[in-house]
Amino acid sequence: SQQGEEDPQALSIQEGENATMNCSYKTSINNLQWYRQNSGRGLVHLILIRSNEREKHSGRLRVTLDTSKKSSSLLITASRAADTASYFCATLRVGNQGGKLIFGQGTELSVKP
Amino acid sequence: DSGVTQTPKHLITATGQRVTLRCSPRSGDLSVYWYQQSLDQGLQFLIQYYNGEERAKGNILERFSAQQFPDLHSELNLSSLELGDSALYFCASSVAEANYGYTFGSGTRLTVV
Repeated sequence: SQQGEEDPQALSIQEGENATMNCSYKTSINNLQWYRQNSGRGLVHLILIRSNEREKHSGRLRVTLDTSKKSSSLLITASRAADTASYFCATLRVGNQGGKLIFGQGTELSVKP
Repeated sequence: DSGVTQTPKHLITATGQRVTLRCSPRSGDLSVYWYQQSLDQGLQFLIQYYNGEERAKGNILERFSAQQFPDLHSELNLSSLELGDSALYFCASSVAEANYGYTFGSGTRLTVV
């Protein structure tokens, strides 16, 4: 079963607006990661936040993590048409055997020029 | 180019057949992960190898098997194929075990007819 659930499933915005995607998970985690996937292509790692971190920034990306609520959010500021893609959160569980990441179902982001 | 090479990119085969998907990890990465992505199931973890040894297993069918060779490349074997096995199969690699994110290949699109 999927560990993460993303919300919304789909998001459509205009270029220049901010996009916020949320992820909830069920069990304690070591870290949470966000990935982007352009249609039919491989996933690209965006950012990793560890369980003892609350916020992380990378360029136009801002990720927050609330372990008490078992949730994370990804904010993309000043979005561009090139940001159109599916975004997935993935979690590495505590006590995980090996290093397998469990992915959510993803948020499909459409940025209109 | 992510550094993870998957071949072939596309594969069309008949039900009941057997296929082998190949993955070469990014140089220096010891862990290899296989995922299946379909519209109804999302990204499902199949199996992980670390430096030649199986480390974690997910919802991998008994008809599927994998191995990692001494040169660290990996192969995923799918046998007695069914229509429902049609999906994108991704390989990913990482240096350690998911503490620094995965690097994904571009995937193999398998169509079973």
